[in-house]
Amino acid sequence: AQSVTQPDIHITVSEGASLELRCNYSYGATPYLFWYVQSPGQGLQLLLKYFSGDTLVQGIKGFEAEFKRSQSSFNLRKPSVHWSDAAEYFCAVGASGTYKYIFGTGTRLKVLA
Amino acid sequence: KAGVTQTPRYLIKTRGQQVTLSCSPISGHRSVSWYQQTPGQGLQFLFEYFSETQRNKGNFPGRFSGRQFSNSRSEMNVSTLELGDSALYLCASSDGTGSNTQYFGPGTRLTVL
Repeated sequence: AQSVTQPDIHITVSEGASLELRCNYSYGATPYLFWYVQSPGQGLQLLLKYFSGDTLVQGIKGFEAEFKRSQSSFNLRKPSVHWSDAAEYFCAVGASGTYKYIFGTGTRLKVLA
Repeated sequence: KAGVTQTPRYLIKTRGQQVTLSCSPISGHRSVSWYQQTPGQGLQFLFEYFSETQRNKGNFPGRFSGRQFSNSRSEMNVSTLELGDSALYLCASSDGTGSNTQYFGPGTRLTVL
């Protein structure tokens, strides 16, 4: 079955600390992978995406993610978190030719001043 | 370019009524997808339209329907509303030709009383 798992429901980090949000997927076809961020009451903003090629992808707001096929993972990282990064983060998987994304359950990030 | 717009942003209905939500995609985008977001079920795919044709459909009852107009604007309709239909309904647009990247609107918050 196709699925996306974000094992951490909540994560709390101090401002300036590094961040890693985990995402594991199960998908039959070659996956297209995405990370989105959602602030309260808002829609989803695309942070970055991976289709093919270099397994380390750079996104907006200083985020990056690494695709590891052997581990079926696509973890999101940021070297130094800012208070404005507090939000909910969603990992999603899709495939070529389809716009039917499967989303993880999200990780809510809290940033301590 | 202007982003995805959704109207209305907030809606309150009572059980048994029907509701229509509207989405205007990014200019030039021909694919529109709809998602339902609830605390219990997370983000779930409803359907996708491309050039006025439904290309993909999620696992929702027939009470949920949609359509797309020649200008790519899309509407979704929910008939005979149930309390469980209370959710944030998100619209996403894409060029529809293989980039697989979807850009989301701010959503419509539907409350069913």
